[in-house]
Amino acid sequence: AQKVTQAQTEISVVEKEDVTLDCVYETRDTTYYLFWYKQPPSGELVFLIRRNSFDEQNEISGRYSWNFQKSTSSFNFTITASQVVDSAVYFCALSEPFSGGYNKLIFGAGTRLAVHP
Amino acid sequence: KAGVTQTPRYLIKTRGQQVTLSCSPISGHRSVSWYQQTPGQGLQFLFEYFSETQRNKGNFPGRFSGRQFSNSRSEMNVSTLELGDSALYLCASSVPLAGASSNTGELFFGEGSRLTVL
Repeated sequence: AQKVTQAQTEISVVEKEDVTLDCVYETRDTTYYLFWYKQPPSGELVFLIRRNSFDEQNEISGRYSWNFQKSTSSFNFTITASQVVDSAVYFCALSEPFSGGYNKLIFGAGTRLAVHP
Repeated sequence: KAGVTQTPRYLIKTRGQQVTLSCSPISGHRSVSWYQQTPGQGLQFLFEYFSETQRNKGNFPGRFSGRQFSNSRSEMNVSTLELGDSALYLCASSVPLAGASSNTGELFFGEGSRLTVL
């Protein structure tokens, strides 16, 4: 069955530290999408990145980078030089467009990141 | 461009009552999905509506229902409320599906409706 595991419940770092959020997924589909969302205290989920199963190229966007490895079923997220504004809950998610539906996201439990000044 | 708007933001109900939550998607978005977020179960998919039709449904009892109007606005209803229905209910909209490589779950979420059942 499809599943997303975020083993880190909470991470606490000091500003300017680098931090990596882990995500491991399970799926039997060959076509799937992986996502990261950020949930600040206001509640809305903010889309960060989408990656399809055929594109294992890593991506960097400013201080954010993502490492997708199909061999280990992982899609990890690294924040470089963390800032207080990065404090939020981060969710990894999976969708299986042909079996589950495009907009049916399976979310991990989330990792709460606290960045202290 | 206005984001996804959910109303009400907060509400308190008692067991046995029913509740209706509203969601206005981003203009031009025809798909609306609903998610429930609780501390115990996390984020769970409720259902998705597209062009006034339910396109997908999660594993929730029949007390949870929804609908979508011709202007893409959506409502969800929970009848016979239980304590366990206390949650943040999130609505998300997305652009229309045009092909296998598009509409890949890039959802735009509202701030949610926080329901407390006493």
